[in-house]
Amino acid sequence: QVQLQESGPGLVKPSETLSLTCTVSGGSISSYYWTWIRQPPGKGLEWIGSIRYSGSSYYNSSLKSRVIISVDTSNNQLSLKLASLTAADTAVYYCAMGASPFSWGRGTLVIVSS
Amino acid sequence: EIVLTQTPLSLSVTPGQPASISCRSSQSLLHSDGKTYLYWYLQRPGQSPQLLIYEISSRLSGVPDRFSGSGSGTDFTLEISRVEAEDVGVYYCLQGLQFPRTFGQGTKVEI
Repeated sequence: QVQLQESGPGLVKPSETLSLTCTVSGGSISSYYWTWIRQPPGKGLEWIGSIRYSGSSYYNSSLKSRVIISVDTSNNQLSLKLASLTAADTAVYYCAMGASPFSWGRGTLVIVSS
Repeated sequence: EIVLTQTPLSLSVTPGQPASISCRSSQSLLHSDGKTYLYWYLQRPGQSPQLLIYEISSRLSGVPDRFSGSGSGTDFTLEISRVEAEDVGVYYCLQGLQFPRTFGQGTKVEI
């Protein structure tokens, strides 16, 4: 059974760049699409973007200018970089397996605050 | 971008009674391959979302058969035949027809 584990800083400053990693275990990242989704506190789910191991990627148009998603097949990891952070980026960030995800990580809370 | 509208946004149910959630899409989710890419997720309190149903009505392995999905084109429904305490949480629909993927606003189910 594939497991996903997000990791990264819990607190970042406004205007900085967020870097998150998702480690995939129990399966190869060289299959499927892989997705980042976020959820602001008390709010709904927002799809950030998806990437295939081959490199083809798709992003939420509202975030596209600030986000980069990449895969590291040698380490079986997925990464997310989100630039120019504001308080509105405070959320739980999930990595998930599949473009229409069928397996999710537990999520990691990121707070943007000075 | 496809917009999904869920109704109601909140639902208070009695254990053992049925519940129904609607998800309406701004355009048909029918793909040229004949499949309709509408998914249902449940997010229990304090947990990650979990996939319940894919392609309108197919239950993921392990999902109780009290959950059922129906619909076509732009109108879809998730039904719980007899609500149990463990069904509490927020239900989301997702369209998988095209990028960007989009979720409905969520429906909070309480007992």
